[in-house]
Amino acid sequence: EADIYQTPRYLVIGTGKKITLECSQTMGHDKMYWYQQDPGMELHLIHYSYGVNSTEKGDLSSESTVSRIRTEHFPLTLESARPSHTSQYLCASSDIGEQFFGPGTRLTVL
Amino acid sequence: LAKTTQPISMDSYEGQEVNITCSHNNIATNDYITWYQQFPSQGPRFIIQGYKTKVTNEVASLFIPADRKSSTLSLPRVSLSDTAVYYCLVAVAGSASKIIFGSGTRLSIRP
Repeated sequence: EADIYQTPRYLVIGTGKKITLECSQTMGHDKMYWYQQDPGMELHLIHYSYGVNSTEKGDLSSESTVSRIRTEHFPLTLESARPSHTSQYLCASSDIGEQFFGPGTRLTVL
Repeated sequence: LAKTTQPISMDSYEGQEVNITCSHNNIATNDYITWYQQFPSQGPRFIIQGYKTKVTNEVASLFIPADRKSSTLSLPRVSLSDTAVYYCLVAVAGSASKIIFGSGTRLSIRP
């Protein structure tokens, strides 16, 4: 089983709040990813990292930011949440092979 | 980027073999073909990966013709628990920046 964790699993928050979604993995993987997925829709890559101090934006433009200070930790931050940010956020990590996904955070912004 | 095309949905019955085909006409020499399975409210889970010919593991087989412009995921004797969305991806092994999941195939298994 993959050891990748996301917290919180569910978050309901008001507009304008700052939030941080946590993602940690214990597999020592260099590559980590954030995806955004609306119900029944495609996954869209919004951020990825090749390693510590390396972050890049993905194919889908996102107002969120990420940081990679430690190999095992890849948090995603929204400075000012809006209803359009309501979605599921999935974190993943990989070595040279397949990606391992966390359980996701379902974010609702009121 | 190698774009993939899959059927939007498929239906089958328990105990049947299910084959899901993915088209990737502009696959590059260094690209691998990977399939993932996703259940509702969960992250995708790796099923199988291949480069050419046939790959088999304990849950599925992957058939890739010589021109590599398509691939077929084969699920033997499906059960109700195989109801999920299946994604075909084409990317360089280990690449982070060129991974596109696409719409996937929604597979429904009936009793």
